Amino acid sequence: AQSVTQLDSHVSVSEGTPVLLRCNYSSSYSPSLFWYVQHPNKGLQLLLKYTSAATLVKGINGFEAEFKKSETSFHLTKPSAHMSDAAEYFCVVSDSRETSYDKVIFGPGTSLSVIP
Amino acid sequence: DGGITQSPKYLFRKEGQNVTLSCEQNLNHDAMYWYRQDPGQGLRLIYYSQIVNDFQKGDIAEGYSVSREKKESFPLTVTSAQKNPTAFYLCASSPLGSYNEQFFGPGTRLTVL
Repeated sequence: AQSVTQLDSHVSVSEGTPVLLRCNYSSSYSPSLFWYVQHPNKGLQLLLKYTSAATLVKGINGFEAEFKKSETSFHLTKPSAHMSDAAEYFCVVSDSRETSYDKVIFGPGTSLSVIP
Repeated sequence: DGGITQSPKYLFRKEGQNVTLSCEQNLNHDAMYWYRQDPGQGLRLIYYSQIVNDFQKGDIAEGYSVSREKKESFPLTVTSAQKNPTAFYLCASSPLGSYNEQFFGPGTRLTVL
């Protein structure tokens, strides 16, 4: 069985300071991992994905995440927060096999606030 | 521009009414999905479809129905049997063989009056 935990429901940072959004996962198989961002009343946009290639994954808008198998973590980071980064962020885990269309598991989300 | 459109953006329903949410994609994706999002929760899968004329129940299908008569369209009907339908509904699609990388529409917010 798969599951995903986002350790913080809300994170607040000052503009220009680093961002860390934490995600831990559980998966019986080799996982695929994703981070999505959702601005208010909008759909989700893919930030980055890990699919068993490089463990450090770079995404859009300066975000990156590191897959750490020993820690079962996939934390999202950004060196310097911008006001436009304020949004909801979802960590997502899925089975890397191609037969599980209904096994994409979304975390509960972390709300990021950026203080001017 | 390729993408997914959902309509309407906001929808109000009286209790006891059925309503249908539209989802259209021009990405030529085979698979389409409907999710429900409630405040403070992740997305929960309602229905998904891998090919035309075929669809499967997700985790919370009760009170919902779908059809997939065309590859580009996957409408969701919220029936009167759905006891708590007020939520944000998201449609997504993915290409064949890459089911777990999904592309999302802008969502429809349904409110029951």
